[in-house]
Amino acid sequence: NAGVTQTPKFQVLKTGQSMTLQCAQDMNHNSMYWYRQDPGMGLRLIYYSASEGTTDKGEVPNGYNVSRLNKREFSLRLESAAPSQTSVYFCASSRVGEGSNQPQHFGDGTRLSIL
Amino acid sequence: QQQVKQSPQSLIVQKGGISIINCAYENTAFDYFPWYQQFPGKGPALLIAIRPDVSEKKEGRFTISFNKSAKQFSLHIMDSQPGDSATYFCAANTGGTSYGKLTFGQGTILTVHP
Repeated sequence: NAGVTQTPKFQVLKTGQSMTLQCAQDMNHNSMYWYRQDPGMGLRLIYYSASEGTTDKGEVPNGYNVSRLNKREFSLRLESAAPSQTSVYFCASSRVGEGSNQPQHFGDGTRLSIL
Repeated sequence: QQQVKQSPQSLIVQKGGISIINCAYENTAFDYFPWYQQFPGKGPALLIAIRPDVSEKKEGRFTISFNKSAKQFSLHIMDSQPGDSATYFCAANTGGTSYGKLTFGQGTILTVHP
């Protein structure tokens, strides 16, 4: 059981390049999330998808777009990468629990450097 | 705006000691308070969580203490072990349609010396 799988694990980009971070979960979870982790700032929510077919902005959505491709997959796209987007990106998923909070399960992250 | 403030940023404890990490929140609508543990190179994993209708929750060596009036909650790790060395994040969330949108603290790097 793989859980949440993120690809790639590492990536170096030049300013202005674009790329898509991939995330897939095999736990049949309804909700999926993208976070970025920066030193001293914890994890900040970029976008989330409460269920297949829906997406919504989180705390820091500027410069990013997302696609909920199906129930399993949720991708994050940087259209024109900037050095400020250098970070570790985490994808997570959780089961929707009828108004109650359910644990979020995280992937191992994508380490992205933008030069 | 950081709605959940966590301290200390780093903590060094001797094996067998007690590790204490504190968090304070501002949003009184928060009603779910999880703690996540993260090892280097890995994603965070849920450690323990509490709701504000109880003042304490214990799971093994890990205890959450919650003070609703002070809007504070803390993680206590008893008999700390070198294997507990990790980064710990507190978080908070509201219920209803916002569930799942966690607000995280800044993180605490815990080092337990043998």
